[in-house]
Amino acid sequence: DGGITQSPKYLFRKEGQNVTLSCEQNLNHDAMYWYRQDPGQGLRLIYYSQIVNDFQKGDIAEGYSVSREKKESFPLTVTSAQKNPTAFYLCASSIAGGGTDTQYFGPGTRLTVL
Amino acid sequence: DQQVKQNSPSLSVQEGRISILNCDYTNSMFDYFLWYKKYPAEGPTFLISISSIKDKNEDGRFTVFLNKSAKHLSLHIVPSQPGDSAVYFCAAKRMFGNEKLTFGTGTRLTIIP
Repeated sequence: DGGITQSPKYLFRKEGQNVTLSCEQNLNHDAMYWYRQDPGQGLRLIYYSQIVNDFQKGDIAEGYSVSREKKESFPLTVTSAQKNPTAFYLCASSIAGGGTDTQYFGPGTRLTVL
Repeated sequence: DQQVKQNSPSLSVQEGRISILNCDYTNSMFDYFLWYKKYPAEGPTFLISISSIKDKNEDGRFTVFLNKSAKHLSLHIVPSQPGDSAVYFCAAKRMFGNEKLTFGTGTRLTIIP
């Protein structure tokens, strides 16, 4: 079964703690993305990567960090510098990141910071 | 600056009737458009797309229309079914180059049985 997995589904953390969200895909896609969704808002791009060991900031990268050491994995760390970390986080992947590539999404992780 | 706008936050339609979801964009460089459907607490799923060389694309009950001069696209669902109740996001990008997707804020569609 090919797809994108995100774990865990729900995550709770205390304020001031860093937390890492997992994203794995077995679609053999080169490009991977992290989005954030808040109520009443569209999806906002945090970071994206089009190739292993390379990534770029999206529209709202402040307070977040990523790594891309393997093609299949693109973990997102929400640091204590992120002012409003409580949100629904979505990971996506696409074949190469350009042209008419379609992005496919994982099931999401809801992060709540207490 | 919201480059992709979905001005109707919600829409209710009777089962069996046509649902029409609208999307406007301001960036004239956008030439590829997609619609995604999202259920609560799940990731969006790709529904249908259209490039700027076409003005219509159909896939079963779903049709997307593109009016480039008005910078407007719409998604038609006919006939509407209860399982269509979800949030629908419009997204846009430039086809060439490694441009990112820009999403609208979504429209919550409720199908009334």
